[in-house]
Amino acid sequence: EAEVAQSPRYKITEKSQAVAFWCDPISGHATLYWYRQILGQGPELLVQFQDESVVDDSQLPKDRFSAERLKGVDSTLKIQPAELGDSAMYLCASSLAGQETQYFGPGTRLLVL
Amino acid sequence: GENVEQHPSTLSVQEGDSAVIKCTYSDSASNYFPWYKQELGKRPQLIIDIRSNVGEKKDQRIAVTLNKTAKHFSLHITETQPEDSAVYFCAASIPWGSTLTFGKGTMLLVSP
Repeated sequence: EAEVAQSPRYKITEKSQAVAFWCDPISGHATLYWYRQILGQGPELLVQFQDESVVDDSQLPKDRFSAERLKGVDSTLKIQPAELGDSAMYLCASSLAGQETQYFGPGTRLLVL
Repeated sequence: GENVEQHPSTLSVQEGDSAVIKCTYSDSASNYFPWYKQELGKRPQLIIDIRSNVGEKKDQRIAVTLNKTAKHFSLHITETQPEDSAVYFCAASIPWGSTLTFGKGTMLLVSP
């Protein structure tokens, strides 16, 4: 069964450093989402792509966060500089175009020291 | 925007008992309501979903009910087992947008 892949699974960094997370969606899924999940809470959408285009980035802190999906397949989420409050699980999900069902990757757990 | 409230935040039951988790949503335009199960350190897994043209959906020991008028939906797990222990999230999305708004989660603990 195809799954969403993410790497790295864990990342420890110091504040003010740059970090990057990678996501490979299920093959054929045109829609890709990045979520942030703070411990004890539900995932919150950061950015949504349809193919290579950003559909919704209204909750993305654009002063430090950036996301790209250059070829409409895999995607990278970057934080620069990282802050202590960025410590969280970063989840990627994908879905078929026009379909509501989202499939999640295993996430990248980020710890900023 | 959409707001989803989920209760309770924690739920402890004995093996074999039933468990019910409730969610309310604010946007009457929402029409898709999935439930995800997340075990510790693992990815959220879709366990069941319901669309607004259906009032109830069942899959073995799991069922979801939807009351559009009251804008609430519930997850029912019967004959609970220790492996049901996890955090459960409800979510809602409006047509077209497909952006999911999640509740804060319910930690279910099933004791043998």
